Amino acid sequence: GESVGLHLPTLSVQEGDNSIINCAYSNSASDYFIWYKQESGKGPQFIIDIRSNMDKRQGQRVTVLLNKTVKHLSLQIAATQPGDSAVYFCAEYQAGTALIFGKGTTLSVSS
Amino acid sequence: DTGVSQDPRHKITKRGQNVTFRCDPISEHNRLYWYRQTLGQGPEFLTYFQNEAQLEKSRLLSDRFSAERPKGSFSTLEIQRTEQGDSAMYLCASSLQQPSRQFFGPGTRLTVL
Repeated sequence: GESVGLHLPTLSVQEGDNSIINCAYSNSASDYFIWYKQESGKGPQFIIDIRSNMDKRQGQRVTVLLNKTVKHLSLQIAATQPGDSAVYFCAEYQAGTALIFGKGTTLSVSS
Repeated sequence: DTGVSQDPRHKITKRGQNVTFRCDPISEHNRLYWYRQTLGQGPEFLTYFQNEAQLEKSRLLSDRFSAERPKGSFSTLEIQRTEQGDSAMYLCASSLQQPSRQFFGPGTRLTVL
């Protein structure tokens, strides 16, 4: 079946480093790709999305890159902070359907 | 707080009982979604509404699951004859014009004994 998955279940970085979280997807028909952050005991929090006709989008301290050739999505977090520690999910959306989430990457930031 | 709210936050029930969860979306959002999340997994879509119309319900896990949004505002998710496998976090989300930008509530954690 079609699914969105992440390359690594965990990522550990030092405070101040840049973090890169990767995701592979399989549905070429998806219209949007989205990154969510989920802290323990909370619902997922929208971070940033990118439309399928774009290859890069920047937000505050975050950049999402989309490579449609290899069906790869990444989230770059600049100057990672302890408050960035959470589980990060990529998701895809196709018009008329719902969000399809991957399994998540746990980011641990040590100070 | 003007975010998505869910009630209760935790529910413990015995197998075979019925449970109902409530979701209050962000007030101007016309779309409302229900997801289920089990430990270590991403949220799994169940159903969604646009205003009071339930536009997708084929992903509901069984006929024991049902959802309503009678006035196009809050929504309820009911699970009848609960089973231990129903234990999970049930998440609600809402969106406005951009359905890819869904805002999630804190979830209701269900434990079936």
